[in-house]
Amino acid sequence: DAGITQSPRHKVTETGTPVTLRCHQTENHRYMYWYRQDPGHGLRLIHYSYGVKDTDKGEVSDGYSVSRSKTEDFLLTLESATSSQTSVYFCALRAGWTGELFFGEGSRLTVL
Amino acid sequence: KQEVTQIPAALSVPEGENLVLNCSFTDSAIYNLQWFRQDPGKGLTSLLLIQSSQREQTSGRLNASLDKSSGRSTLYIAASQPGDSATYLCAVSLKETSGSRLTFGEGTQLTVNP
Repeated sequence: DAGITQSPRHKVTETGTPVTLRCHQTENHRYMYWYRQDPGHGLRLIHYSYGVKDTDKGEVSDGYSVSRSKTEDFLLTLESATSSQTSVYFCALRAGWTGELFFGEGSRLTVL
Repeated sequence: KQEVTQIPAALSVPEGENLVLNCSFTDSAIYNLQWFRQDPGKGLTSLLLIQSSQREQTSGRLNASLDKSSGRSTLYIAASQPGDSATYLCAVSLKETSGSRLTFGEGTQLTVNP
């Protein structure tokens, strides 16, 4: 158990509303990631962070922003949610030099 | 761009059978390769991690091999059990990113029948 918690675990919202998903780790890992998982597309990287205030884009970053003001928290924000952002969102962290990834339980987001 | 393919997409076997799941990738300059298990409605659980300098890793009934030159990895499951039913994903990270970014295959959905 890498001590990752995601919140909320489930959320239903309407098109055009802002949404923030939170990922919290209890350890002190430097790298954290946000992925989305969709049928037919698998897991795709949205954004990742390699330290406090250090973030970079992944392959599907449009419409998403992230922030990392503390080592333990990595926030994913949808400024104005769209139906195409209905998905399951997973946070992950990288443990040490091996590069092994550990995942949270996921946040299921439905945008109506 | 790294692409990862897993074949077959789905597999159904009787309990007790030994089986092999396949993963292929297009760029052989990898940092590591990781196999995961995902149960329905759950997150991903790390099974095995193979560094680029390694040829295989073992954990219990699981054995993963890596052949960088051919761009392939296999996950061998011995004496399969109904509890092994899940989706298995492989993911590869590239040397150029120092392993910081993973590319995932779409997974193999395994069903082990009692």
